[in-house]
Amino acid sequence: GDSVTQMEGPVTLSEEAFLTINCTYTATGYPSLFWYVQYPGEGLQLLLKATKADDKGSNKGFEATYRKETTSFHLEKGSVQVSDSAVYFCALSESGNTPLVFGKGTRLSVIA
Amino acid sequence: KAGVTQTPRYLIKTRGQQVTLSCSPISGHRSVSWYQQTPGQGLQFLFEYFSETQRNKGNFPGRFSGRQFSNSRSEMNVSTLELGDSALYLCASSLVGGRDSPLHFGNGTRLTVT
Repeated sequence: GDSVTQMEGPVTLSEEAFLTINCTYTATGYPSLFWYVQYPGEGLQLLLKATKADDKGSNKGFEATYRKETTSFHLEKGSVQVSDSAVYFCALSESGNTPLVFGKGTRLSVIA
Repeated sequence: KAGVTQTPRYLIKTRGQQVTLSCSPISGHRSVSWYQQTPGQGLQFLFEYFSETQRNKGNFPGRFSGRQFSNSRSEMNVSTLELGDSALYLCASSLVGGRDSPLHFGNGTRLTVT
């Protein structure tokens, strides 16, 4: 079945450091790909998405490019802030009304 | 516009009891999905309701059930609670469901089974 694999955390960075969180997926078709973020004590929020190969999703300085050849959707940010500390989830949805499949999440801590 | 509201926020129950969790979606959203979040398994899909009908179901035992009302509000029920049911239960709503309709999550109900 479909699955998403994320790099294990926690990831600890200093403020203004470059961030990469790796995400690879397994799917039978051509899924849409998503990054969600969960701040402490809250539910998940959609951060960005891409629906086809070579699409780049971006939001709040975060970017991720849908790479079909490597089945990857790595999340990047050029300069992280303390306020970016959260858990980040990569997810996919195959087609139609199939539910989202999430990775296990990567906890990011940014220290001043 | 009000977000997704889940009640109660925290719940403590004893093994063998049953529990009902409630979710009010964003106004106009017709799809409601439920997820179980645990440190070991991450986010696991429970079920999705659309227009009062269960449209998708995850791999959970029959002790987990749900329903959706005509106003799109949803409840999930867990009977004969087990210790392993301790988790954060997240509800998410979307306009019509599916991959082109982004999920909006509530803050969750933290269930502790003792």
